Amino acid sequence: EDQVTQSPEALRLQEGESSSLNCSYTVSGLRGLFWYRQDPGKGPEFLFTLYSAGEEKEKERLKATLTKKESFLHITAPKPEDSATYLCAVATGGGNKLTFGTGTQLKVEL
Amino acid sequence: GAGVSQTPSNKVTEKGKYVELRCDPISGHTALYWYRQSLGQGPEFLIYFQGTGAADDSGLPNDRFFAVRPEGSVSTLKIQRTERGDSAVYLCASSSYVNNEQFFGPGTRLTVL
Repeated sequence: EDQVTQSPEALRLQEGESSSLNCSYTVSGLRGLFWYRQDPGKGPEFLFTLYSAGEEKEKERLKATLTKKESFLHITAPKPEDSATYLCAVATGGGNKLTFGTGTQLKVEL
Repeated sequence: GAGVSQTPSNKVTEKGKYVELRCDPISGHTALYWYRQSLGQGPEFLIYFQGTGAADDSGLPNDRFFAVRPEGSVSTLKIQRTERGDSAVYLCASSSYVNNEQFFGPGTRLTVL
């Protein structure tokens, strides 16, 4: 059974304090690893897709990396507007069904 | 362009009643997905459509849940004889045939009293 584990469950940072969120996975045949951002009361917002170990993608203050067992979402010099829950998901098999982790709730304070 | 839209945004019903939740995907997206999200959890897969047909319904919890997409665009998730445990946010997503980047709607919050 595909499993996705995210850590930490919650993270509190000061503005400008860089950190990383972890997503470890156990799957049979990875067809893609996805990062989403979710604000309270809203649907997940797509951030990145990574397909193979060694791949990296960046968007503003966020950078996602992938190894054979885990992915990291690095947040550089975060701002309060980066506060949200960050979800990691994997696509396996036919590649269409996403299995999500429980998310990391990030709060960035002034 | 317009994103995925879902109606209603909130639905309150009584135990045992029937409900329908609607999803309007991004124009041109051939794939449509339904997920369910409980408080503090990640979304949980329910069903996936490619065109008009359900390609994978392995996540539907039981036969009270049914979904249709008759014309390959709008989809309706139908729940019969609702139970209090069905209370959750029901999310819809769509993607193009090119890749599996799924774009989510705002969700329908279902509360069963």
